[in-house]
Amino acid sequence: AQSVTQLGSHVSVSEGALVLLRCNYSSSVPPYLFWYVQYPNQGLQLLLKYTTGATLVKGINGFEAEFKKSETSFHLTKPSAHMSDAAEYFCAVSDVFGNEKLTFGTGTRLTIIP
Amino acid sequence: EPEVTQTPSHQVTQMGQEVILRCVPISNHLYFYWYRQILGQKVEFLVSFYNNEISEKSEIFDDQFSVERPDGSNFTLKIRSTKLEDSAMYFCASMKGVRETQYFGPGTRLLVL
Repeated sequence: AQSVTQLGSHVSVSEGALVLLRCNYSSSVPPYLFWYVQYPNQGLQLLLKYTTGATLVKGINGFEAEFKKSETSFHLTKPSAHMSDAAEYFCAVSDVFGNEKLTFGTGTRLTIIP
Repeated sequence: EPEVTQTPSHQVTQMGQEVILRCVPISNHLYFYWYRQILGQKVEFLVSFYNNEISEKSEIFDDQFSVERPDGSNFTLKIRSTKLEDSAMYFCASMKGVRETQYFGPGTRLLVL
């Protein structure tokens, strides 16, 4: 079975500071990994995904994530936080040899301090 | 840009009533999913659907739940007799092909009283 652990249900950073949201996964097969963002009262929007190849993945809005197999991690970063980044962020792993259902972490609420 | 749509955006119902949540996936997508998110909790997989049949369902997806693709464009989730604990945000997602990205709709917030 696959699982995702997101450390820190709430993260606060100052505007302009580095954003780091942590995600660790467990998977018996090579994983496909995703970060989704959920703005208040909206659905889930894909930020970025890792499938194969380059382990540093760039996404929308200046976010990027690095797949580290040895650490079973897929942490999300952004060099400089913007007020508009305030949202809930979900890490997910895909069951690529099954029906590709997504298993989500519990989410991290990001607050930006002006 | 094509997107997944869901109706209604909000639904309030009495316990024991039937509800149907509707989704219109992206038109050339072949794989369809329902997920739910109970308030304050993580998003959970309910069911996947491909080639007009359920391909996988979770433990949550019991006999009270059913899915259907009645006309080639809509994808519905029916809850036959709602319970209080069915109150949640329900998300539909669709995917074009294997190993592709799932695109989510905006969700239907269901409140069971």
